[in-house]
Amino acid sequence: DGGITQSPKYLFRKEGQNVTLSCEQNLNHDAMYWYRQDPGQGLRLIYYSQIVNDFQKGDIAEGYSVSREKKESFPLTVTSAQKNPTAFYLCASRLESTDTQYFGPGTRLTVL
Amino acid sequence: GENVEQHPSTLSVQEGDSAVIKCTYSDSASNYFPWYKQELGKGPQLIIDIRSNVGEKKDQRIAVTLNKTAKHFSLHITETQPEDSAVYFCAASTYNYGQNFVFGPGTRLSVLP
Repeated sequence: DGGITQSPKYLFRKEGQNVTLSCEQNLNHDAMYWYRQDPGQGLRLIYYSQIVNDFQKGDIAEGYSVSREKKESFPLTVTSAQKNPTAFYLCASRLESTDTQYFGPGTRLTVL
Repeated sequence: GENVEQHPSTLSVQEGDSAVIKCTYSDSASNYFPWYKQELGKGPQLIIDIRSNVGEKKDQRIAVTLNKTAKHFSLHITETQPEDSAVYFCAASTYNYGQNFVFGPGTRLSVLP
């Protein structure tokens, strides 16, 4: 069954802790993206990667870090430097030479 | 950079009526415009898209129109059904921005039975 998986679905974190969100795709897509969604708002780009071992900051990268060691995986770490991390996080992927991004089911992060 | 506005923010229609959601963009270089549907607690799903060399595209009850001169594009849903109730997002992308998407703030559509 092809697609994009994100885990966990719900995540709780204490203030001051780093946490890593998983994103895996078996679509053989080249590019991968991380977005943040706050209630009643659109999606904002955190980081993106067009190719393995390379990634670029998006519009709101402060307090986040990523890695792209494998084509199918693009984990996002929310660090303690992120001032307001409670949000819904969405991962997406895109095949090179196409425009369409396909989204995973999301991870809801809550900071207690 | 690109800015995308979307109206209305909420929309209620009776089942069977049509719904129209409008988006405007600022960067004349934008060349790809997708529409996504997001149900509560789920990831967005692509429902239709249009490229800048096309003025209109239709897929069953859903259509999208693009006016490049005015820099706006619209989603049209006909014969609405309760399962159309969701949040709809428009987006624009441009080669100047690495073909990354800039999203509108979303429209919450409620179809009343």
